[in-house]
Amino acid sequence: QAVLTQPSSLSASPGASASLTCTLRSGIDVGAYRIYWYQQKPGSPPQYLLNYKSESDNHQGSGVPSRFSGSNDASANAGMLLISGLQSEDEADYYCMIWHGSAYVFGTGTKVTVL
Amino acid sequence: QVQLQESGPGLVKPSGTLSLTCAVSGDSISSNWWSWVRQPPGKGPEWIGEIYHSGRTYYNPSLKSRVNISIDKSKKQFSLRLSSVTAADTALYYCARIAGRETTFGVITKRGYFDLWGRGTLVSVSS
Repeated sequence: QAVLTQPSSLSASPGASASLTCTLRSGIDVGAYRIYWYQQKPGSPPQYLLNYKSESDNHQGSGVPSRFSGSNDASANAGMLLISGLQSEDEADYYCMIWHGSAYVFGTGTKVTVL
Repeated sequence: QVQLQESGPGLVKPSGTLSLTCAVSGDSISSNWWSWVRQPPGKGPEWIGEIYHSGRTYYNPSLKSRVNISIDKSKKQFSLRLSSVTAADTALYYCARIAGRETTFGVITKRGYFDLWGRGTLVSVSS
């Protein structure tokens, strides 16, 4: 079982909100981790969006629009990336990442399609 | 403008050693941690390891026995060597800068994130 599991794909309409999940493997408590989020467009390296540990401990990447935000769902043991007011430019792959087991670990990635 | 540029052979034979260099321009190589990340075609990224200007390194445990990262401050570059390569090491290799790292008395208390990336260089392992 992967350390971080993400849905392989998600589709939404322009202007809608999209909620991306990053589920931590059983036994790894989301509350104990800082989750980093990256956006990757074809032919480009990943770009840092934000990180989230708690409501009082989070960071927005430089130049990242406020419509990208992070949160946790403790009941699902998952980190969340919320994209509000989806735009065509948001079509990309999204990866979560944590530091675990003496390594940075990336999630399996979600491909977001803006219909 | 800070830039990172990877360079090295695009083809390596199985059981050989992959060697890449990342040139840093527009920033002091002595003020940050620097990292290597790879991404197999169609898959997610995988962290390889990182280095500080002092030479201190951390490696991914899954690759540790085959990886060596070094730094040359005079040339403003850092390098990756990965030995005993197989087809599974075929990937786009990125160098990256780590930001947001915090330390207390030399102990890393916040790991940080990759805020600047090179364009990446594709390395194929094939005979």
